[in-house]
Parts: sequence; structure tokens; C-alpha cells
Amino acid sequence: GQNIDQPTEMTATEGAIVQINCTYQTSGFNGLFWYQQHAGEAPTFLSYNVLDGLEEKGRFSSFLSRSKGYSYLLLKELQMKDSASYLCAVMDSNYQLIWGAGTKLIIKP
Amino acid sequence: IAGITQAPTSQILAAGRRMTLRCTQDMRHNAMYWYRQDLGLGLRLIHYSNTAGTTGKGEVPDGYSVSRANTDDFPLTLASAVPSQTSVYFCASSPGTGNSPLHFGNGTRLTVT
Repeated sequence: GQNIDQPTEMTATEGAIVQINCTYQTSGFNGLFWYQQHAGEAPTFLSYNVLDGLEEKGRFSSFLSRSKGYSYLLLKELQMKDSASYLCAVMDSNYQLIWGAGTKLIIKP
Repeated sequence: IAGITQAPTSQILAAGRRMTLRCTQDMRHNAMYWYRQDLGLGLRLIHYSNTAGTTGKGEVPDGYSVSRANTDDFPLTLASAVPSQTSVYFCASSPGTGNSPLHFGNGTRLTVT
């Protein structure tokens, strides 16, 4: 079956750096997405990776290794507003999105 | 403001009742989706539509139906609600190309008693 694994919860300190990992096993691969979801709100798009390597977008970066079935989201200079859930989703060979359960990130002052 | 509008925001529904969740987008996106989100689980696709006039079943379609009469609207109907359909429902859209990110509505929190 298809599977996306992410840690359930992580805690980090304001101003620090945190890395949220995502491993996947899917039928084919057509790209990996990261979304941010604040409590009680809709998911919003953060990043997309289809080739191996690092994509940087301001304080957020996303890395992909297709051979390892692995991605991570790196958040730098953490702010209190970064407290949210981070969802990893993989597009399979049928262009269907398979979603992880999300990682709840708690930022402490 | 362009985006996706869902209604109602929340609803408490008696088991056995019929309910339609509304979703409207003004971005002229071809593809639209209905997901449910439950604690500890990833988003699960209920139904989707790649373009107006067509619909398809997702991962968890049983007990739900959809229609796509035009580009903008994609209502989700629960014919006879059951408690296991208690969830947060998100409507989403995308232009339709493979790597286009989804745009989500603000969700409908449904409780079936």
C-alpha cells in the first residue's frame, strides 16, 4: 500500500531551526508538496519538489531524495506564528495526492 | 477576493438526515476536490472533478455524492448521515495541471449525532 510517515509532534524554540521529516512509499512519484495548516484553518501551500535537491523560499526550505523516498522541511529563525501543522503529500503515478497525517509544530518562547 | 467559499462553516446534524455542503470557487479552476480530515489521519479524498460535467470517486466515497454542473460549484451531499461522517470537510481546487498546488476552502465542521 501507499504510505506517508511524518512525526506526530515536534517542539522547538523561537529563533531556532527545525527540520520536519517525511518518508514515503507510493506507487510512482510525480512530486512532493508541503502545506502549512494553522489550527482551525485551511491548509496553505508551502513548497513543491519533483527533482532531488533543496528548494529555498525565504525562511523555509524543502529537500527531496527520490532514491531514499525522503523529504524534509527546514524552518529557520522560528517565529511564534510558525506554530502549526505541516502536511507532507506525494503525487503518485495516477496524479493522486497521498497525504501524511501531519506534524504538529509547537514553538516555545 | 478570489478563492473558495464553503458553507456552512459548521453544522450539527441528526443521523439519517440529508445534508449538502456547498463549495464555490471564482478562480476558474478546472479541478475540484472534496476531502475529509480526521484527527490522526491524513486528508482523505472523497470525490473529485477534473472538469465541469465529470466526477470521480476518491478513497472514501461511500455515503457521499457530488455533482459538477458548472466550473464554479461542487456541492457534496450526504444522503443519510451517520455518526462516522463526523469530520471536517475541505473543498479544494486547482488549475488541473499535475504539479499545481491545491487551494483550499476554510472547511465545514460537521457533527452527526
